[in-house]
Amino acid sequence: EAEVAQSPRYKITEKSQAVAFWCDPISGHATLYWYRQILGQGPELLVQFQDESVVDDSQLPKDRFSAERLKGVDSTLKIQPAELGDSAMYLCASSSRGHTDTQYFGPGTRLTVL
Amino acid sequence: KNQVEQSPQSLIILEGKNCTLQCNYTVSPFSNLRWYKQDTGRGPVSLTIMTFSENTKSNGRYTATLDADTKQSSLHITASQLSDSASYICVVQAGNNRKLIWGLGTSLAVNP
Repeated sequence: EAEVAQSPRYKITEKSQAVAFWCDPISGHATLYWYRQILGQGPELLVQFQDESVVDDSQLPKDRFSAERLKGVDSTLKIQPAELGDSAMYLCASSSRGHTDTQYFGPGTRLTVL
Repeated sequence: KNQVEQSPQSLIILEGKNCTLQCNYTVSPFSNLRWYKQDTGRGPVSLTIMTFSENTKSNGRYTATLDADTKQSSLHITASQLSDSASYICVVQAGNNRKLIWGLGTSLAVNP
């Protein structure tokens, strides 16, 4: 069964350092999402791509976060510089036709900022 | 304000028992309602998606109901298993901007 791949699974960094997360969606899925989930809360959408284009980044802290999906396949989310409050689970999801289709989530990257 | 509220916040049941989780929403206009299961430290997994015209949908031992008039949904788990221990999250998609409004989830523990 096809799955969304993410790496790394765990990342520990010091504040002010740069971190990057990678996501490979299910093959053929045009829509890709990055979420941030703080322990005990629901996922918060950071950015949504349709192919290589950003369709929603209204909740992305653009002073320190950036995301790209250059060839419309895999994607990278970067944080520079990391802050203590960025400690969370970063989830990637993909769907085949957009918002109304089922989102398939990857295993996530657990980020700890010291 | 678009909101999704779930109850109870947490629940402990014995293996083999049934349970029902509740979801109330104020999202308008409404597009669809989803239930996800999230194991600790893992990404959510979709259980069901229901549109306005659907009032019941099953996925194995999971049965979701939707009352669009009262804006309530429930997730019923039959003959619970230890592997059902997880967080169950209700998500409503708005019909205008397509945004997903996530609930905080119900944490279910199934004990032997």
